[in-house]
Amino acid sequence: RKEVEQDPGPFNVPEGATVAFNCTYSNSASQSFFWYRQDCRKEPKLLMSVYSSGNEDGRFTAQLNRASQYISLLIRDSKLSDSATYLCVVRLNYGQNFVFGPGTRLSVLP
Amino acid sequence: NAGVMQNPRHLVRRRGQEARLRCSPMKGHSHVYWYRQLPEEGLKFMVYLQKENIIDESGMPKERFSAEFPKEGPSILRIQQVVRGDSAAYFCASSPPPASRTDTQYFGPGTRLTVL
Repeated sequence: RKEVEQDPGPFNVPEGATVAFNCTYSNSASQSFFWYRQDCRKEPKLLMSVYSSGNEDGRFTAQLNRASQYISLLIRDSKLSDSATYLCVVRLNYGQNFVFGPGTRLSVLP
Repeated sequence: NAGVMQNPRHLVRRRGQEARLRCSPMKGHSHVYWYRQLPEEGLKFMVYLQKENIIDESGMPKERFSAEFPKEGPSILRIQQVVRGDSAAYFCASSPPPASRTDTQYFGPGTRLTVL
């Protein structure tokens, strides 16, 4: 089993839609969780960290379920500019390596 | 505060030549990571270093590839005797020291290597 797995995608949604991405991780001792986005031919950029209590940043909401070893990202009111690949990232602890999922591609269509 | 810097941004080499890619981490960051991304593929971890020490090189090909992060100066990813299959985007990222209890990793803009 891979350390971090994500929905295979791609997701093609109309503008204004709500879309949810799922991610699972294999190591139950993992402590830190993140969502990054990567635009075509650009570097990954941090979208948000994921906290145990869940967190929201504008149209984006991240949830963590430690019992199920599952992370989600919800995007409401999708914009064309949300089109990108979304990467789930897990870290065991400070000083440990970051483990990236394979990414899920999102295309928001006009 | 300058971000992670990589140079060159684009590098063209002929088969058999050497490629040297440089990465300067963000100010205050002590850990550097190198990743490779082939066209239309995902990000693949290569190596994780702190100054003068390799922490994890499980993603590095066994031959032709090496990385260092000296006490002074940038981190260097070195590819000897390049082949066409080495053509890819190479991204560097950095993070603060563990003692900072700040957990975020930031990426540089990447170096696009083309092997002719």
